[in-house]
Amino acid sequence: IAGITQAPTSQILAAGRRMTLRCTQDMRHNAMYWYRQDLGLGLRLIHYSNTAGTTGKGEVPDGYSVSRANTDDFPLTLASAVPSQTSVYFCASKVGTSNTEAFFGQGTRLTVV
Amino acid sequence: EDQVTQSPEALRLQEGESSSLNCSYTVSGLRGLFWYRQDPGKGPEFLFTLYSAGEEKEKERLKATLTKKESFLHITAPKPEDSATYLCAAPNQAGTALIFGKGTTLSVSS
Repeated sequence: IAGITQAPTSQILAAGRRMTLRCTQDMRHNAMYWYRQDLGLGLRLIHYSNTAGTTGKGEVPDGYSVSRANTDDFPLTLASAVPSQTSVYFCASKVGTSNTEAFFGQGTRLTVV
Repeated sequence: EDQVTQSPEALRLQEGESSSLNCSYTVSGLRGLFWYRQDPGKGPEFLFTLYSAGEEKEKERLKATLTKKESFLHITAPKPEDSATYLCAAPNQAGTALIFGKGTTLSVSS
C-alpha cells in the first residue's frame, strides 16, 4: 500500500541520547516535512525539504536536524534529546506545489526522560 | 504573520444535531485551504481542498465552504463515528509548508 511509513511507532529515550526518527514514502513526492504535535499547540513545522538534496528550517527547528539524500527518505535526528522534545512527530509529503494536499504518516510518539 | 485559527476548540453534539466548525486565516494570497480529520493515535487524514471564495465540497455528512476570510466545515446529522479532531491548514506565504490551526475536537454521542 502506497504511503508514508514512520519508525519507530513509539520510543522512550533518555535525555542526552541521540535519536533518529525514520520516514520513508513511496509516492515519489518531491516535498517532505516533519511536524511535531503537542497538546494545545497543534502541529508545528520543524524542518522541510522541497526536493532531494535541499532542506529548510520551519517554525521550531532548534535541537533537530534533517537530511534528504534521496526522494524517498527524510530522517529527523535529535542530536542530544531533552525532555521538551517529548512529543508526537509526524512526517508528511506532497507533490511539491504549494496548493496540493500533504499526506501524513502514522506518527512517532517520543518520550524523553 | 501567516496564521490559521479554529473555533471552537471542542464541540459536543448529539447524534443528528447539525453544526459548523470555523477556520479563519490571515495568509496573504491564499493558495488553498485544507481540511483534515485526525483520529486519536493516528496521523491527519486529508478531507478537502478549497481554492476560491464561494467554492464548496462535500463528502458524506461533511460540507466545506470558503469565503475570503474563513472556511466552515458543516456537519449534517452527525454520527458517533464522526467524532475526531478536525484540522484546517493553509500554505504559508513562502509556499514552503502548510500551517495548521490547533483543531476542533468533535464528540458525537448517541
